[in-house]
This record gives sequence, C-alpha cells and structure tokens, in this order.
Amino acid sequence: GENVEQHPSTLSVQEGDSAVIKCTYSDSASNYFPWYKQELGKRPQLIIDIRSNVGEKKDQRIAVTLNKTAKHFSLHITETQPEDSAVYFCAATSGSARQLTFGSGTQLTVLP
Amino acid sequence: ETGVTQSPTHLIKTRGQQVTLRCSSQSGHNTVSWYQQALGQGPQFIFQYYREEENGRGNFPPRFSGLQFPNYSSELNVNALELDDSALYLCASSQQGARETQYFGPGTRLLVL
Repeated sequence: GENVEQHPSTLSVQEGDSAVIKCTYSDSASNYFPWYKQELGKRPQLIIDIRSNVGEKKDQRIAVTLNKTAKHFSLHITETQPEDSAVYFCAATSGSARQLTFGSGTQLTVLP
Repeated sequence: ETGVTQSPTHLIKTRGQQVTLRCSSQSGHNTVSWYQQALGQGPQFIFQYYREEENGRGNFPPRFSGLQFPNYSSELNVNALELDDSALYLCASSQQGARETQYFGPGTRLLVL
C-alpha cells in the first residue's frame, strides 16, 4: 500500500519568514495530494491540494509543488503569521476507495 | 468550517464494551470515510461507505464495522473495545465523483479505560 513520509516533524520560524514542509510517497499510481492544517483540538482543515497533472499551485501565501518523477511534494508558506501555527499533514490518495494516506505531521510554530 | 457533524464529541468506555459513533455528511456529499487518529499521529483510514455499502477498508479488524443510511449519514461501530482503541475518530465526507477531496468533521474523542 501507499506510504507517505513527512519531515520535519517540528518547525519553528520567525513571523514573516517562510516555512517549507516536505513529503514523499511510494505509490506511483497516487495522483492527488492534499494538505491539511489541524489546530489543537480541532478538525483537519483542507488548505490546498494538487493533482498529478500540475506541477505547482498557489493560493495567496500558500503554495504546493509536486515532482512526480521523484515522488515528492512540498508545502510552502510565505510571510508566516502566528495564526499559521498548527500541525500540518500531507496526504496521498490510493486504493479503490481513493482513501487518504497521511504523513506523520509537522508541528509548525511561528514566533512573534 | 465544513458542514460535517459528528456525535458525541467525547466518550469514555471500558475495555470490552461496544461503542457507536455518528456522522452527518456535508450537503451534497454522498460518500463517508472514517479515520482513526491516535495522539500525535496522522489519521489512518478505517473504511468508506457509498450507497449504503462498504466501498473500501483499511487495515482494521472486523470488530470495526459501519453503516450508511439513505440520507448519507453514517455510523462507526466498534465491538470488544481495547485500550489501544483510544483515539480521535474522524469522519470525512466527499462526492462520489471526487472521493479524494474529503472534508472532515470535528471528531469524536474516545477514551477506553
């Protein structure tokens, strides 16, 4: 089955700096890669996604890049703000149910 | 916030008991997936329901079972609870034509003593 690895597990940045989180996946058939933000005690919130026919996607301060050949994708957050502090999960689809296989998460802390 | 709701929010059970968790999908969504999220980990896929039938299953034993109703809401049942079943249980709804684009509910936090 699909295996998704995510790093770093923790990331601290100064407010206004950029943050990058990286993930690799194992199943070459995976073709959809969402990112979720989960604040403490809350639901995972879909913040951006990318499909395998696209190399990059941007939404304001957030961007995701995908390298299908290398089987890795990354989340980029620019001009970070304290409210960006949360756990971020990457995921990849697999299987007939198109279920999500998640990475282990990155705790992002933005220091004011 | 998504339109996905779950009940109850918290639950405490003892080992060996049975539990039923409920999920109402977002309007217009007909597919429900269930995930288990242990503390400090990413969610793990349990199973998915579409048209009231199980549509895919992760690596969970048969004591984890589910239902989907004609209004697309769903239940997760866990029998013979074990201590390791303590976790946040999340449901996610999606449209059949885009099952991978999943929106999560707030979860039910289950503690097994």
